[in-house]
Amino acid sequence: DGGITQSPKYLFRKEGQNVTLSCEQNLNHDAMYWYRQDPGQGLRLIYYSQIVNDFQKGDIAEGYSVSREKKESFPLTVTSAQKNPTAFYLCASSIEVLAGVGEQFFGPGTRLTVL
Amino acid sequence: QQQVKQSPQSLIVQKGGISIINCAYENTAFDYFPWYQQFPGKGPALLIAIRPDVSEKKEGRFTISFNKSAKQFSLHIMDSQPGDSATYFCAATSNGGTSYGKLTFGQGTILTVHP
Repeated sequence: DGGITQSPKYLFRKEGQNVTLSCEQNLNHDAMYWYRQDPGQGLRLIYYSQIVNDFQKGDIAEGYSVSREKKESFPLTVTSAQKNPTAFYLCASSIEVLAGVGEQFFGPGTRLTVL
Repeated sequence: QQQVKQSPQSLIVQKGGISIINCAYENTAFDYFPWYQQFPGKGPALLIAIRPDVSEKKEGRFTISFNKSAKQFSLHIMDSQPGDSATYFCAATSNGGTSYGKLTFGQGTILTVHP
């Protein structure tokens, strides 16, 4: 069954702790994305990767880090430098970037709450 | 210039009515305009998309109207059903420039269809 999986579904973190959100896809897509969703603000792009071992900052990259060591995996680390990390985090992928963004397929999301 | 402005923030429609959501953009380089539908606790999913070489695209009960000169596009949901109750996002991107490889999302519209 093809798709994007994100884990965990819910995550609680104490202030000052780093936390890593998992994103895996078996769609053989080249491009992967991380978004943050807050009420009334739509989806804001954190980081994106067009190919393995390469990634670019999105609009709100401060306090976040990513890696793309494998085509199917694009983990996001929320660091203690992120001032307001409580949000719903969405991972997405698309077949390739060179032909245009086209359709992005989204995972089910991870809701992060900082206690 | 990268923003996409979406309205209304929320919309309540009776079953069988027409739901209309509007978006406006500033970046004239945008050349792909998708709409995404998101149910609570889920990731968004592509609903319908349009390119600026056409003024309208229809898929079932869903229609996108596009006005290139006004830099506006809208989603019309005909015969709205309770199952259409969701959050809708418009988005835009381009095959070049600073928007290359990235979707810019509107703020979202929460649609509620009463039975």
